[in-house]
Amino acid sequence: LAKTTQPISMDSYEGQEVNITCSHNNIATNDYITWYQQFPSQGPRFIIQGYKTKVTNEVASLFIPADRKSSTLSLPRVSLSDTAVYYCLVGDGGDNFNKFYFGSGTKLNVKP
Amino acid sequence: DTGVSQDPRHKITKRGQNVTFRCDPISEHNRLYWYRQTLGQGPEFLTYFQNEAQLEKSRLLSDRFSAERPKGSFSTLEIQRTEQGDSAMYLCASSLGLPGFREETQYFGPGTRLLVL
Repeated sequence: LAKTTQPISMDSYEGQEVNITCSHNNIATNDYITWYQQFPSQGPRFIIQGYKTKVTNEVASLFIPADRKSSTLSLPRVSLSDTAVYYCLVGDGGDNFNKFYFGSGTKLNVKP
Repeated sequence: DTGVSQDPRHKITKRGQNVTFRCDPISEHNRLYWYRQTLGQGPEFLTYFQNEAQLEKSRLLSDRFSAERPKGSFSTLEIQRTEQGDSAMYLCASSLGLPGFREETQYFGPGTRLLVL
């Protein structure tokens, strides 16, 4: 089972850059790394996905080192509305699907 | 709105009753997943459909749980003889999976929150 390990919680202040690192030592060769954001009483929302090196979209960047045993989600200039739980996922399926292991995630608390 | 929808959003039932939840995936998505989430924990995988075929079931899915996806469109999750331990958020997700590609993004619905009294 390709489990992930993340910090349980992090605090930040508005306007700061936040980096959340996830370790996934047993990631399979062809698995992708995906990050989700979840607010209370809502379903997880896709943030970003990558395989190696760096991926950037309009809300975040994802840094993946060459050995792919960890990844770092970078949120630039966070605001209070970024307070949420962030999950790092890797696939754990066979040839036909990805059975994600969510873990407990990282609870990010953004302060004014 | 073309996202994943779930119905109902909330359900309160008495122990021993049966409940059924519905999920409507994004229309062109061939894969559909059910997860369960309890307070303070991440979602836990329950079951997965590729089109209408149920290809995987978690050990968490006891005999009281059954899921269907007739015609590969919407899906239903039924819990028979509910127990208080079934109280949780039930999440549905869908994705477009392509043969041979592991890159896949699952899009989640808002969930159905179940409370068993």
